[in-house]
Amino acid sequence: QSVLTQPPSASGTPGQRVTISCSGSSSNIGSNYVYWYQQLPGTAPKFLIFRNNQRPSGVPDRFSGSKSGTSASLAISGLRSEDEADYYCAVWDDSLSVVFGGGTKLTVL
Amino acid sequence: QVQLQESGPGLVKPSQTLSLTCTVSGGSFSSGSYYWSWIRQPAGKGLEWIGRIYPSGSTKYNPSLKSRVTISVDTSKNQFSLKLSSVTAADTAVYYCAREYSGYDWSFDYWGQGTLVTVSS
Repeated sequence: QSVLTQPPSASGTPGQRVTISCSGSSSNIGSNYVYWYQQLPGTAPKFLIFRNNQRPSGVPDRFSGSKSGTSASLAISGLRSEDEADYYCAVWDDSLSVVFGGGTKLTVL
Repeated sequence: QVQLQESGPGLVKPSQTLSLTCTVSGGSFSSGSYYWSWIRQPAGKGLEWIGRIYPSGSTKYNPSLKSRVTISVDTSKNQFSLKLSSVTAADTAVYYCAREYSGYDWSFDYWGQGTLVTVSS
């Protein structure tokens, strides 16, 4: 059972916009920055979003993050087949640990 | 380009100690801008942060694993290592090493490819 709650799956068709949610608490999302990672099948995770909504260089602007209270979201617009992957939210928890969401498997139909 | 590479035994017997090393190339390993972390992922499951080490040697561990984990660093070799004691089948996972960068608010910006460690007799 993860400290951060994500839907196990999400789907969309090419060109669509999809959103993946991440729900936490006041001790993690409510008081710290949220990060997002993409894990393509059989590979290591890749860094997508930091500081709730900032993209590192090289990440397309189709990916965007947001946070409100104790929840956060990752939105992917103009969905492409290569976006099919697992997506994880992460945050520092005041219990002195980095915590990850359980992951959301995104399927591009 | 920064590269991280995990190495170590792929099979560990129950109750023994799992030992892995991460070798870092292509970057400034000893810079104060980085933490060096271990993260694991059981097959078909999510990610779990194990702990981190600063080049100075200061560490922070996941409270759920703290009693069994030791992370150490060898700056002369650009390496950091993980020891996990008293392993059980529940410790079977792909183990990743990763870099946390202050410029990205301590995000894991570079990862190793991961190494599968199986705990079995």
